[in-house]
Amino acid sequence: AQTVTQSQPEMSVQEAETVTLSCTYDTSESDYYLFWYKQPPSRQMILVIRQEAYKQQNATENRFSVNFQKAAKSFSLKISDSQLGDAAMYFCAYRRDQGLGGGADGLTFGKGTHLIIQP
Amino acid sequence: DTAVSQTPKYLVTQMGNDKSIKCEQNLGHDTMYWYKQDSKKFLKIMFSYNNKELIINETVPNRFSPKSPDKAHLNLHINSLELGDSAVYFCASSHVTGNSPLHFGNGTRLTVT
Repeated sequence: AQTVTQSQPEMSVQEAETVTLSCTYDTSESDYYLFWYKQPPSRQMILVIRQEAYKQQNATENRFSVNFQKAAKSFSLKISDSQLGDAAMYFCAYRRDQGLGGGADGLTFGKGTHLIIQP
Repeated sequence: DTAVSQTPKYLVTQMGNDKSIKCEQNLGHDTMYWYKQDSKKFLKIMFSYNNKELIINETVPNRFSPKSPDKAHLNLHINSLELGDSAVYFCASSHVTGNSPLHFGNGTRLTVT
């Protein structure tokens, strides 16, 4: 079974600075997808960024980027120019891809990292 | 608005009661899920349905019964509620292919007293 580990229960960063959230995963699959979701106090689950395992290039979405190290099974999230609105729980998630049907497994989540933004 | 909508947003009930949570998506997805988020914020899948067919049924008490009348709806019925059932329940949907991200509803906070 796949597992996702987020080793930082809580992180704190000054507004406008950069912070990196760690995530490692364990899988025997070669094809899969990795995601970061954000959950602000409103409870809504918001997709932040997605990475395909077959792509060597790291995904970026505006101030959010990932460092994907497939051999090390590591998938960290970097948030640049942190803003107060970035304060939230961040979840790393794994989804296997075995062609059609594999996605019905849904996402396997890590335990989350609570990100605090200091003004 | 295109979205995953679940109702109710809050549910407070007594032990032993039966309750239902409804979920609907208008994103044209073929796969829907129920997740449970516990008090420590951990998200764990309970069920998944693909084209109305049950795919995943994790170790969940038989008191929980999902029902999918069509691809756009996935409801969750809970019998004989227990204190330990208190949690936030999220409905989600996606295409079945792995690269399709899950879209989540806003969650239902269930409190059993």
